[in-house]
Amino acid sequence: DTGVSQNPRHKITKRGQNVTFRCDPISEHNRLYWYRQTLGQGPEFLTYFQNEAQLEKSRLLSDRFSAERPKGSFSTLEIQRTEQGDSAMYLCASSLGAGGPVLPTYNEQFFGPGTRLTVL
Amino acid sequence: AQSVTQPDIHITVSEGASLELRCNYSYGATPYLFWYVQSPGQGLQLLLKYFSGDTLVQGIKGFEAEFKRSQSSFNLRKPSVHWSDAAEYFCAVGPNAGNMLTFGGGTRLMVKP
Repeated sequence: DTGVSQNPRHKITKRGQNVTFRCDPISEHNRLYWYRQTLGQGPEFLTYFQNEAQLEKSRLLSDRFSAERPKGSFSTLEIQRTEQGDSAMYLCASSLGAGGPVLPTYNEQFFGPGTRLTVL
Repeated sequence: AQSVTQPDIHITVSEGASLELRCNYSYGATPYLFWYVQSPGQGLQLLLKYFSGDTLVQGIKGFEAEFKRSQSSFNLRKPSVHWSDAAEYFCAVGPNAGNMLTFGGGTRLMVKP
């Protein structure tokens, strides 16, 4: 399977615990995105990487959240001291890089199946 | 700030009937518009996208969408719905500087036999 993969698919944790999710993008994709989707809502952007550089972070990404992509391949999203409000589906997507500054192009984002987090 | 509104949270149609899912957007520049479908346990799959040119775009699985700038809309249509189309559909707008997408709240489609 050459699609985006995410692990684990489901995570149940107690409030206050730390959790870490992993995303493996499509191998030739240099952009990687994290989104959060709460029940009944559309996905909301959290952060994205171009290779190993984290280029943008949403205001939704509180200090308890940290994302890394150390070698420009897989990425991890860690949530420290989880709260019940963190319960959501965490989606990862990857794409080829965009074009230059004059004529930006868009490359399709391919989404993984998500990691569903439940905080008790 | 850009935003996307999908006014219909749930829609039920009979198999074989036509379908139209509504999407309204707010975006300062010429938008890039997308429709994604999400089935239970599956990731989001791109149905179609609009960047420029012909305002009627064709996508996969027999879907099409029409961009109407004057109405700030990008409605998704299908002439004959199949039971396998039951899923949640998301409209999205982008890109901003990072190519991240802004999604609407989604429309859940149910198909009656």
